[in-house]
Order: sequence, then structure tokens, then C-alpha cells
Amino acid sequence: DTAVSQTPKYLVTQMGNDKSIKCEQNLGHDTMYWYKQDSKKFLKIMFSYNNKELIINETVPNRFSPKSPDKAHLNLHINSLELGDSAVYFCASSQRTSFTGELFFGEGSRLTVL
Amino acid sequence: GENVEQHPSTLSVQEGDSAVIKCTYSDSASNYFPWYKQELGKRPQLIIDIRSNVGEKKDQRIAVTLNKTAKHFSLHITETQPEDSAVYFCAASIEQTAGGGNKLTFGTGTQLKVEL
Repeated sequence: DTAVSQTPKYLVTQMGNDKSIKCEQNLGHDTMYWYKQDSKKFLKIMFSYNNKELIINETVPNRFSPKSPDKAHLNLHINSLELGDSAVYFCASSQRTSFTGELFFGEGSRLTVL
Repeated sequence: GENVEQHPSTLSVQEGDSAVIKCTYSDSASNYFPWYKQELGKRPQLIIDIRSNVGEKKDQRIAVTLNKTAKHFSLHITETQPEDSAVYFCAASIEQTAGGGNKLTFGTGTQLKVEL
């Protein structure tokens, strides 16, 4: 009964490769996010989708492309991976109409680029 | 855009003591200030939040205070226990009541260690 689940949990790959991370939420939330947490634990928003529509797009290289096939799924595809892409990527969701504004995070996907 | 500063970056306390973590924000329009706790290897989880129409909020051993004029807010943990050891993040955003998401800007985190 995991609320926000993302796969894979660990990903080790070579520079220049293309990889994807998948995220699904079963909370019925309208909004989903991708956050990047670097080695210093800094959490930074990358993208946000509301009901399949892109609403937040921070300054992220074009190599990162999110895709939301429906409001319960938000995937992240990364092209031409670089060493600096190594981080933990967290998917999250929230209910747009909720007064609490709470973000529910997935367990994270640790990406290591060699 | 919003900028959130958080201090200290590390904090070590003895079990039973209090811990205080402070944050400042730059955008006076921000009206929502949550605190997240991230245990080692785990996901961040909301522990308490406060809105700009409230100056203080308490939930058992944790409390948050907000000073809108000074644009700073603080997390207070009393009677600390070993299980309080984690990284704590403050955040700020302009809460969207219609459309849009919750664009939280996080602070840089505080590693709290509660020693026996």
C-alpha cells in the first residue's frame, strides 16, 4: 500500500548513457514533483506537473525530460548522463486542493554516474 | 525567487536537552512554512508546518515559531530523544489555493545528533 513509489531504487550507469526513473502515486493527488538531492543533502525542485500539465520547470538542463502519462504517474528521463547528475532523485505528490500542502515523497532513486 | 537560509548545519545535543533550528526567507509573499525530517537513507517527511496567519504552533515535543516582520522561523524540539537524530529541512512557499503546485524552496538542512 505504498503511497508514492519510484523505480529503480538504485541506478549505476556510465557517462553518456540514457536512463529513466518511474514514479507512481496511489493517493489520488493532482500534483506530482521531481526533486534532486545532491551529496550535500540539498533538496531542489526540478519539475512539477498538475494533472498531466507541466506547471513548474526550474532551470534544469534539456537532457532532463519529465513525462506524465496520467496524473498518477510522473517519469523522468535523462539523456547523455554526466558525472554531476549523480544524486538521489525524489518523486513527490501533493493534493492541490489540500489545505495542508504536504508533500508525500517516494523513497528516492539513487543515481550514480561513473 | 525565494531563498531560504538555515542554521546551524550540524547540531549535537545531549538526550533530554532542547534543540533549536533557525531559518530565514527572502520573499515576503511566502505564506507557508513546513518542516521536514529525513532519517538516514529515508524519504523526507513532514513533521509540522505553519502558515503566515499564525505566530506559533505546537505538536507534542515540537514547536515552530514564525516572525513575519523579520522573515524568520524556527523549529524547537524539547526533551530530545535518540530517534530525533536526523536531517531537518525548513522550507517556504507561496501556497497555491487554485492551480499550480506547492513550489517549496528548501533550506540547506540541519544534521541533528542526539547523544546518549
